[in-house]
Amino acid sequence: EAGVAQSPRYKIIEKRQSVAFWCNPISGHATLYWYQQILGQGPKLLIQFQNNGVVDDSQLPKDRFSAERLKGVDSTLKIQPAKLEDSAVYLCASRLPDLSGYDYNEQFFGPGTRLTVL
Amino acid sequence: DAKTTQPTSMDCAEGRAANLPCNHSTISGNEYVYWYRQIHSQGPQYIIHGLKNNETNEMASLIITEDRKSSTLILPHATLRDTAVYYCIVRRRYGSSNTGKLIFGQGTTLQVKP
Repeated sequence: EAGVAQSPRYKIIEKRQSVAFWCNPISGHATLYWYQQILGQGPKLLIQFQNNGVVDDSQLPKDRFSAERLKGVDSTLKIQPAKLEDSAVYLCASRLPDLSGYDYNEQFFGPGTRLTVL
Repeated sequence: DAKTTQPTSMDCAEGRAANLPCNHSTISGNEYVYWYRQIHSQGPQYIIHGLKNNETNEMASLIITEDRKSSTLILPHATLRDTAVYYCIVRRRYGSSNTGKLIFGQGTTLQVKP
């Protein structure tokens, strides 16, 4: 079974530039997450999608970050304009929907995109 | 979601059992204990989860105390490839507001030494 795919793996930009990251989840996984992981810290959830709808974006800095999952499959996370503090690894994860109301499905993570903002 | 407390780092000799503790004293009956690990330059990987009974799979065993306030992840025969950051996470079991999101702490850095 193919895993979660992310691209690019590495990106270096200057502050105030724009950048976009792409994620393709495991086939059939309706739930998709984007996390931000700053060096030395655990991942922090930015946004969660169920199919093409946003479930939770409470931690997304909406003045500069945006994300979409138009057809309910792959997703794009964008930063515009980037700041120095956005330097981090951006992780995408997916899981099967929990249809029974009992949450037990594990999340599968991609390798991440390492962003460096200079 | 309940907060967890883990030691910052631990060492383990190769071939020996690695026992990683986690304190979750405010856990509710509606919450699972999950363990993930993150090997350097990779995304986190699911290891195991449990509610109140001990669990075992091909990767590890999870021992949850009777009062559910703490747990221990056991890697029975640690190898160098088990060197990673291990995250203990408490996650809501069910409910209309349950989004399945994971709230990561800083985890325990396990160094397996030859």
